[in-house]
Amino acid sequence: QSALTQPVSVSGSPGQSITISCSGTSSDVGAYNYVSWYQQFPGRAPKLMIFDVTKRPSGVSDRFSGSKSGNTASLTISGLQAEDEADYYCTSFTYYNTYVFGTGTKITVL
Amino acid sequence: EVQLMESGGGLVQPGGSLRLSCAASGFTFSSHWLHWVRQAPGKGLVWVSQINTDGSITTYADSVKGRFTISRDNAKNTLFLQMNSLRAEDTAFYYCALTSASGGWYAYDYWGQGTLVTVSS
Repeated sequence: QSALTQPVSVSGSPGQSITISCSGTSSDVGAYNYVSWYQQFPGRAPKLMIFDVTKRPSGVSDRFSGSKSGNTASLTISGLQAEDEADYYCTSFTYYNTYVFGTGTKITVL
Repeated sequence: EVQLMESGGGLVQPGGSLRLSCAASGFTFSSHWLHWVRQAPGKGLVWVSQINTDGSITTYADSVKGRFTISRDNAKNTLFLQMNSLRAEDTAFYYCALTSASGGWYAYDYWGQGTLVTVSS
């Protein structure tokens, strides 16, 4: 199972909106609406930001939103803030009853 | 409060074995699927394995299939990962993770702090 493809890095200025893509196949991202997104700071465990493509866990800012079209999922961060600077990973449940993570994207706030 | 605490990491020689544990508290352990996820230093997250509520269903990433075994002890609220025939590329932080209703059952809404496994001679 190959990792889902994410851009290595994305940057934006405070207040801007940025979008991270997560490209998979018809066996993972395209197969089910079980895509989730995680935020990770250096030396820390990941934190769930989005699940089931579009849903936010309790306590996660509504500046974070998710979507999916075909085999590609996306995470959008609106009103970018300095505290959003971190690594972000997507993951998807797959047709084979396994999971696959994305390659990860580093978000830089300019 | 949900807590997951990994232990058992350390330095092991190539070809050696190690058993990781994940002690859980703050939730009904026997009602949840549990997972292991790893992350090589400075690299991305990689799903390793999952186990269902009673241990009768286990699934593995191709990279560890036949070498790693996931198991659980519901009486002791503990998850295990037996790692055999270890390779340098298995060097990573190993996290246990929990799926629950609050994360839609297919996302990891709780994570441990991770334990480092280093495979080196």
